Amino acid sequence: EAAVTQSPRNKVTVTGGNVTLSCRQTNSHNYMYWYRQDTGHGLRLIHYSYGAGNLQIGDVPDGYKATRTTQEDFFLLLELASPSQTSLYFCASSAQGDTQYFGPGTRLLVL
Amino acid sequence: GDQVEQSPSALSLHEGTGSALRCNFTTTMRAVQWFQQNSRGSLINLFYLASGTKENGRLKSTFNSKESYSTLHIRDAQLEDSGTYFCAAEGWGSNAKLTFGKGTKLSVKS
Repeated sequence: EAAVTQSPRNKVTVTGGNVTLSCRQTNSHNYMYWYRQDTGHGLRLIHYSYGAGNLQIGDVPDGYKATRTTQEDFFLLLELASPSQTSLYFCASSAQGDTQYFGPGTRLLVL
Repeated sequence: GDQVEQSPSALSLHEGTGSALRCNFTTTMRAVQWFQQNSRGSLINLFYLASGTKENGRLKSTFNSKESYSTLHIRDAQLEDSGTYFCAAEGWGSNAKLTFGKGTKLSVKS
């Protein structure tokens, strides 16, 4: 059974829309991450967390909020979506100083 | 500039042959991870190395932190090896953050 799941798998919204991407991990990992993947840029870190209630800023945080409600659940929030946020979003989890395990990804299209 | 420079950006192999992918780091890194992204977009873990060499089947990876590079060797390439390969490095004091290279797109042909 997949240890990192993401929902939805695909999402279409309009400019200015409100979007929440969800991630759940059953690895008992402390660390969780949100990345975006765009052609020509590889994967870039948006936000990450090392425990419930904790939030750390990644490398491309502008326009995104995140919330870690439990050890298992990490959410990415786009409160005013823009076309530049059209991307493939990945969630990952890890223990400290160990392999990151990725979810299947969410494709977001902002019209 | 980029902290993780990955080469080549694209590679074509015939079945049964092999090659090496490389990542150079502009700063000292604590660990490196290699992934394959398949045609469905899934990221598959290949290796995590804090030093030395690991081998798994037809794949072998080395991480030389002192000289700031890592390699991924593929031997006896198969069609299912096609995809994009990423290295990602964790810096010292980076609080477990990974910085990704831009990937190597591998095509294996019969």
